[in-house]
Amino acid sequence: AQTVTQSQPEMSVQEAETVTLSCTYDTSESDYYLFWYKQPPSRQMILVIRQEAYKQQNATENRFSVNFQKAAKSFSLKISDSQLGDAAMYFCAYLANSGYALNFGKGTSLLVTP
Amino acid sequence: GAVVSQHPSRVICKSGTSVKIECRSLDFQATTMFWYRQFPKQSLMLMATSNEGSKATYEQGVEKDKFLINHASLTLSTLTVTSAHPEDSSFYICSARGGGLDNQPQHFGDGTRLSIL
Repeated sequence: AQTVTQSQPEMSVQEAETVTLSCTYDTSESDYYLFWYKQPPSRQMILVIRQEAYKQQNATENRFSVNFQKAAKSFSLKISDSQLGDAAMYFCAYLANSGYALNFGKGTSLLVTP
Repeated sequence: GAVVSQHPSRVICKSGTSVKIECRSLDFQATTMFWYRQFPKQSLMLMATSNEGSKATYEQGVEKDKFLINHASLTLSTLTVTSAHPEDSSFYICSARGGGLDNQPQHFGDGTRLSIL
C-alpha cells in the first residue's frame, strides 16, 4: 500500500516570504501522479498543482512550484510571495496510474502572518 | 470547469435518524464516485468507491450496512448514514471522476457537515 507522509503539522510564514511544505511517499509503482491540494476554512478542496512521475521537470503554477525528487520519493511544495489568502490546510496526495483513489497525507496547516 | 454538487451542506439531526447525502456531477458523466470522511483537523479518509451500476467497494473498517452507497446513474451517487449516532458526526466529502476532463483526477463536492445530537 502506498503511504503519504507530511511531517509538518503546522507551518508559519510572513506575508511576501517563501515557505516550503514537505511531503514524502512510499510506493513500488514507477508510474504515478502527485498532487497538492489546498483546503481553506470553507473546507473546499482546491487543486494547487500536479506532477506526473514520468516528467523530470518540476511543475509550476504561478507562485506555487514543486521540488520532485523521484529517487528520494519526495515532493515538496514551495509557495513564493505568500499571501494572506494562502492560509489553509495543505494536503499532499498520491495517485497510482493504475488506481482510482487519491491517497492523502495528514496535512500541514499553513498560517500566514502580516 | 467540471462541477460536483453535494447536498445538503449542513445537517443537524437526532440520534437514530437516517441521513441521505447526494453527490451530483452537473456537467459530466461520473463513472466513479468516491466518499470521504474528514474529522476536525485530520485528513480525508476514503470510505468507499462506487462505480455506476455496481456495488460500492468499502475501505477496511467502514461498515457497509451503516453507510449505504447507491450509484444508480452516471451523475448521481448517494450516501445514507443509517441510524446515525453522535460518533458519526463528521464532515463528508464526495468526489467524482469522469473521463478526460482537464487535469484533475477527481472533482470534489463542497462537503456536508453532519452533526448528530
